[in-house]
Amino acid sequence: AQRVTQPEKLLSVFKGAPVELKCNYSYSGSPELFWYVQYSRQRLQLLLRHISRESIKGFTADLNKGETSFHLKKPFAQEEDSAMYYCALSSGGYNKLIFGAGTRLAVHP
Amino acid sequence: EAEVAQSPRYKITEKSQAVAFWCDPISGHATLYWYRQILGQGPELLVQFQDESVVDDSQLPKDRFSAERLKGVDSTLKIQPAELGDSAMYLCASSHYRDPYEQYFGPGTRLTVT
Repeated sequence: AQRVTQPEKLLSVFKGAPVELKCNYSYSGSPELFWYVQYSRQRLQLLLRHISRESIKGFTADLNKGETSFHLKKPFAQEEDSAMYYCALSSGGYNKLIFGAGTRLAVHP
Repeated sequence: EAEVAQSPRYKITEKSQAVAFWCDPISGHATLYWYRQILGQGPELLVQFQDESVVDDSQLPKDRFSAERLKGVDSTLKIQPAELGDSAMYLCASSHYRDPYEQYFGPGTRLTVT
């Protein structure tokens, strides 16, 4: 079965510390993976996708097929990074997204 | 900037009553999605439309839920009768055919069934 697991419900760090939000997936095919973010009082929005291999707001994520992981990383956290982060997997012919349960990132001053 | 609109934002209803949610996607977005998000979980796709056609409703509880997008623009999701377990956030999203993975989400409707 296709599944996305985000093992941490809450990740709390201080400003300037490195951040790694974990995401593991199970999928029998060739996966496409995404990170979506929801800032306080804002809508859920796409942050980045693995296929573009780009850095957005200082965040990067590398797809590791051997470990079936797609962890989100940032070397120096900022207070404005505080948000809910969801890892998502594309499944099926109609681009269906399967979301993980999310990790709340809290960056303290 | 164009946004997905949803109404109502909040709905409280008694169990066994009918409830309906409305969504207006971004103009030009052919694909429309309805998700349910239970507290502490990620969004779960209920139904996906391509224009006016349903392309995925595998997780829609069809005995009580229905969805339509008659003219391929706005959409309505209905629950009849509502059950206590239906309490959740109902999110609508839309995407353009050129980039189906960038889904634009609405603010959601928070449903409480008492």
